Amino acid sequence: DSGVTQTPKHLITATGQRVTLRCSPRSGDLSVYWYQQSLDQGLQFLIQYYNGEERAKGNILERFSAQQFPDLHSELNLSSLELGDSALYFCASSDLRGVGEQFFGPGTRLTVL
Amino acid sequence: KNEVEQSPQNLTAQEGEFITINCSYSVGISALHWLQQHPGGGIVSLFMLSSGKKKHGRLIATINIQEKHSSLHITASHPRDSAVYICAVYRGGGADGLTFGKGTHLIIQP
Repeated sequence: DSGVTQTPKHLITATGQRVTLRCSPRSGDLSVYWYQQSLDQGLQFLIQYYNGEERAKGNILERFSAQQFPDLHSELNLSSLELGDSALYFCASSDLRGVGEQFFGPGTRLTVL
Repeated sequence: KNEVEQSPQNLTAQEGEFITINCSYSVGISALHWLQQHPGGGIVSLFMLSSGKKKHGRLIATINIQEKHSSLHITASHPRDSAVYICAVYRGGGADGLTFGKGTHLIIQP
């Protein structure tokens, strides 16, 4: 158990819908990273938050957004969903702003029908 | 060309064999991670390296910064080592996520 929690574990929804994925980092970790794992693209970095502020953006679509709240949990919002958004979404946390071991949550499996 | 290349893509071996998985990268990095992903999907961090060599139980990871190459070795392999092993690099600068290789699918047969 990494200490990182993600909810829900599975999510099935329809095209055009909006969903919110939630992540609680390990106690004391200030950095949260969101990653997407799809069959064709593999694992890709989406976005990083550090202590409530956005720190870095990767391959995140404009239809996706995220935020980190004062209690350090983070939410990833995916809107106008398309079939191609079906993937495993992981969050990871780290106690550092940059270089540091990342601890991964169990992931949320999103299926868009 | 991907910034992080792993080889082999797939590897099947017999229990007890010595396993080597290779990772080459083409960018400057601050650190390299080796991750393990089991069939259930969960990802576990095995090592984070910025130089030299690290050992944890039967796992050994090495990195050569000049050659931009890292290896993950498994000694006395066991069926429970069957998983996907993923190399990922952190380029640094304090504002970046990991860039991943496509993974090596390892099967250890009893």
